[in-house]
Amino acid sequence: SYVLTQPPSVSVAPGKTAKITCGGDNIGSTGVHWYQQKPGQAPVLVVYDDSDRPSEIPERFSGSNSGNTATLTISGVEAGDEADYYCQVWDNNSVHPVFGGGTKLTVL
Amino acid sequence: EVQLVESGGGLVQPGRSLRLSCTASGFTFGDYAMSWVRQAPGKGLEWVGFIRSKAYGGTEENAASVKGRFTISRDDSKSIAYLQMNSLKSEDTAVYYCTRGKGGGDYDPFDYWGQGTLVTVSS
Repeated sequence: SYVLTQPPSVSVAPGKTAKITCGGDNIGSTGVHWYQQKPGQAPVLVVYDDSDRPSEIPERFSGSNSGNTATLTISGVEAGDEADYYCQVWDNNSVHPVFGGGTKLTVL
Repeated sequence: EVQLVESGGGLVQPGRSLRLSCTASGFTFGDYAMSWVRQAPGKGLEWVGFIRSKAYGGTEENAASVKGRFTISRDDSKSIAYLQMNSLKSEDTAVYYCTRGKGGGDYDPFDYWGQGTLVTVSS
């Protein structure tokens, strides 16, 4: 089955830019979705179809996808952005959703 | 306002069954695919299965880890999705989330999530 690889953790100072990667074989050929999950809460969709944002998500959240890597970028990081972030795609072979292992974002 | 509310979780012995419900409101339930995603304690997200909208055949898909044991169904007249879990194992212990697909079929992101319901499988 299709495997998505995320770094376990990323740390960033407030006001700086955080980049969270999601690696997969030719991932650039499929749409990538990103979810934010804060402790004790349900996940929230923050970016879909590589780079689109739900209306309630701040413009600070953006995404890109090319080759074997998709990236979630959070600009002007705030303390409230501290959370786990998961990437997700649909496996074209099985037509099943696949999640990455998640990345814990720490705001220093 | 879109709302998804799961119910039916609890403590169950290995080998027994449990049925979770997801009651939806705030949207035309029948137009959307509904999925179940679980999260074991301290672990990441794992897709369990989904059921397409009637417009896309109303068929279900299940992850290999639960295939043959779990079944997803829907009652569009009541705006409820169900997850029937049989032959439960300790590794099925997790918070189970109900999610809505952004469209009626496949390839859509999960745009709304319930608050989750905890299932604990233990003797």
